[in-house]
Amino acid sequence: DTAVSQTPKYLVTQMGNDKSIKCEQNLGHDTMYWYKQDSKKFLKIMFSYNNKELIINETVPNRFSPKSPDKAHLNLHINSLELGDSAVYFCASSSLAGDTDTQYFGPGTRLTVL
Amino acid sequence: AQSVTQLDSQVPVFEEAPVELRCNYSSSVSVYLFWYVQYPNQGLQLLLKYLSGSTLVKGINGFEAEFNKSQTSFHLRKPSVHISDTAEYFCAVTEASGGSYIPTFGRGTSLIVHP
Repeated sequence: DTAVSQTPKYLVTQMGNDKSIKCEQNLGHDTMYWYKQDSKKFLKIMFSYNNKELIINETVPNRFSPKSPDKAHLNLHINSLELGDSAVYFCASSSLAGDTDTQYFGPGTRLTVL
Repeated sequence: AQSVTQLDSQVPVFEEAPVELRCNYSSSVSVYLFWYVQYPNQGLQLLLKYLSGSTLVKGINGFEAEFNKSQTSFHLRKPSVHISDTAEYFCAVTEASGGSYIPTFGRGTSLIVHP
């Protein structure tokens, strides 16, 4: 059973398009995250979201928006895709009440913008 | 605010040799410390973590790390590496005791194990 899953695994699209990446966790965690990993493996947090608050990394363009239909899902919507958006995007979850901040990561979505 | 410095971007080593991956952090408050491993084309997974207590922490796959508060370090070690340990290793820190739960990651160290 996959704890944190993402779809799609690969996404190839043209500049200017709008796309979404879906994330689901079945761990019962209360907090979910989106990270961007660039070609040099640098991991940058984009959003952190739980029932109470959305924390946005201020360097993230407002073309990126997280959408959470329920506690188990945090989708990432990207408008007007640009070449620089090409990266691997990771979803993660954690439990603030339990496992003391351990992050559980999904397998990643490799986004390629042409 | 905290920061994490991984001093080596790449560490090549021969199989069965010992290895140490270095991590230093900076924070004005107490922290929790983590090491994550990322195998090729996969997400990150937890290797080990330090929350409190014994400064020597043992993790999965024979790895261990030692928390040194005076040197603000949390170096990762393994006495004998395998080819399968080839991966990217990330050190991370969060604020302890109800502080910010959002982790700060280092830039990663690529461990390359040669036969």
